[in-house]
Amino acid sequence: NAGVTQTPKFRVLKTGQSMTLLCAQDMNHEYMYWYRQDPGMGLRLIHYSVGEGTTAKGEVPDGYNVSRLKKQNFLLGLESAAPSQTSVYFCASGHRTSNTEAFFGQGTRLTVV
Amino acid sequence: DQQVKQNSPSLSVQEGRISILNCDYTNSMFDYFLWYKKYPAEGPTFLISISSIKDKNEDGRFTVFLNKSAKHLSLHIVPSQPGDSAVYFCAARDPNEKLTFGTGTRLTIIP
Repeated sequence: NAGVTQTPKFRVLKTGQSMTLLCAQDMNHEYMYWYRQDPGMGLRLIHYSVGEGTTAKGEVPDGYNVSRLKKQNFLLGLESAAPSQTSVYFCASGHRTSNTEAFFGQGTRLTVV
Repeated sequence: DQQVKQNSPSLSVQEGRISILNCDYTNSMFDYFLWYKKYPAEGPTFLISISSIKDKNEDGRFTVFLNKSAKHLSLHIVPSQPGDSAVYFCAARDPNEKLTFGTGTRLTIIP
């Protein structure tokens, strides 16, 4: 059982380049989240999805887009990367029942130079 | 606007003693609270949770307390062990399933 898998694990981008981070979960979870972790800032929510075909903005959505075309996948896109988007990105998924936790992937370390 | 706050960036505790990590929140609509533990280069892992209708939940060495009137929750670890050294995040969920995290507290257990 793979749980939540993030691809890639590491990436270096040049300013202005674009890329897509992929999150895949095999637990049939309805909810999926994208966070970024920066020193002293904790985990900040970028975008989230409560079901296939739906997305919503989190705390820091600017510069990112997301899509949830399939229930098991949640894609995070950077159209024109900026150095301020250098961060560790985490994906999480959760079930639509009360009192259950979200499960996290192992993270993607992105550096924009 | 930080809706979930962990005001102590770091905490050091002697092995065998009690560790108390604190978290404050501002949104009264939060209905579920969670604590996560994170080791370097790994994703956060779930530790313990509590519903807003309860004031205490216990799981082995870990107990979470919720004071709704003060909008405050705390995580107690007793006895503390070296393997507990990690960054701890509190999180709160609202009715729209949005999950908001605090800034984290780095716990160091001193042997």
